[in-house]
Amino acid sequence: DGGITQSPKYLFRKEGQNVTLSCEQNLNHDAMYWYRQDPGQGLRLIYYSQIVNDFQKGDIAEGYSVSREKKESFPLTVTSAQKNPTAFYLCASTNRRGARTEAFFGQGTRLTVV
Amino acid sequence: EDKVVQSPLSLVVHEGDTVTLNCSYEVTNFRSLLWYKQEKKAPTFLFMLTSSGIEKKSGRLSSILDKKELFSILNITATQTGDSAVYLCVFYGGSQGNLIFGKGTKLSVKP
Repeated sequence: DGGITQSPKYLFRKEGQNVTLSCEQNLNHDAMYWYRQDPGQGLRLIYYSQIVNDFQKGDIAEGYSVSREKKESFPLTVTSAQKNPTAFYLCASTNRRGARTEAFFGQGTRLTVV
Repeated sequence: EDKVVQSPLSLVVHEGDTVTLNCSYEVTNFRSLLWYKQEKKAPTFLFMLTSSGIEKKSGRLSSILDKKELFSILNITATQTGDSAVYLCVFYGGSQGNLIFGKGTKLSVKP
């Protein structure tokens, strides 16, 4: 079955460490996205990629980095420069069939800084 | 700047009530509008709307899009406690050809 897989589900990080969140999709989607969700807030865009080897900053990119070396994969690195990384992270991908677009989501990764 | 505004931000109702959730937008290059239900983790897909005036229905849920007045509504009739969730309105389009999220409406259904 096609879908998006995020791993790990839960991640604990010590202050000052970099961590990488994985997002893999087998839907043959061109576009992939990373969002952050904090309690009581909406989803905020961190980075997105419309095509392999290209990505763009979203609204809150500071302290994060991404790569898109393969169509299927869009890993997100939370660097030590991110001052408040504890949050729920969602990866999404979209296809486009003419005017119709469907977005699919991974199950999320909950990152906690200890 | 592209933006999506959902209202109300939160809503508390009793089982059996009917609710209407609103989503207004200012988005360039509109492609489609998506409604999602988010409980604890990943949002689950409800509807995709691309044409004005055509109601989509799924059980007790329905949604419609008005591209002239730039809004969409999500209706839930005979609400149940299992409808308690955050409902997200998402646009695909914009100047970047991107997903644009509203902040969501948190619906709480009391027994």
